[in-house]
Amino acid sequence: AAGVIQSPRHLIKEKRETATLKCYPIPRHDTVYWYQQGPGQDPQFLISFYEKMQSDKGSIPDRFSAQQFSDYHSELNMSSLELGDSALYFCASSRGDRNTEAFFGQGTRLTVV
Amino acid sequence: GESVGLHLPTLSVQEGDNSIINCAYSNSASDYFIWYKQESGKGPQFIIDIRSNMDKRQGQRVTVLLNKTVKHLSLQIAATQPGDSAVYFCAEKARAGGGNKLTFGTGTQLKVEL
Repeated sequence: AAGVIQSPRHLIKEKRETATLKCYPIPRHDTVYWYQQGPGQDPQFLISFYEKMQSDKGSIPDRFSAQQFSDYHSELNMSSLELGDSALYFCASSRGDRNTEAFFGQGTRLTVV
Repeated sequence: GESVGLHLPTLSVQEGDNSIINCAYSNSASDYFIWYKQESGKGPQFIIDIRSNMDKRQGQRVTVLLNKTVKHLSLQIAATQPGDSAVYFCAEKARAGGGNKLTFGTGTQLKVEL
């Protein structure tokens, strides 16, 4: 079965650079969530989209922005990268905007040096 | 603020024994819960979910129990196997103003001893 696809899997950036992470949801899934997970920490909710509109917002820095496109894929744009942005970034998708299963991708490991 | 958290950070069990992982939540508006398994360096893997109109739900070797009175959730794994070793998270969604936001609790590291 098709799963959530994230790219790239690994990314190394220097401080103050920008990064773009991509997420391709499971076919027919219209909701996308973004999470940040530091080493040994819980996934922290950043932002979510439903039907291409922002649905909820969590602890996403102002330096980050995201959007969901007409084909339902989503991109997380990160600017002025800081060392503390180094983390695993996960995307999840679900169908509908309420209580349905959310499935995660394998994540993008971002390292800021 | 509202939060979801686990009581025990590490749980060690013998292979073949049953495991019970607990989760406490404080948001009374939570109406949907998911248990995830996460192996090192991988994405959270969906295990089982439960809605607030249910007390119990069973899957293959797993059972989730929900006690809304005390805001407690548990995941029971029967006949625990070495492949069950991972970090387990509970996550919740809330009705009131929850939008599309899964809030994760503190993970529990499950270690299966041979």
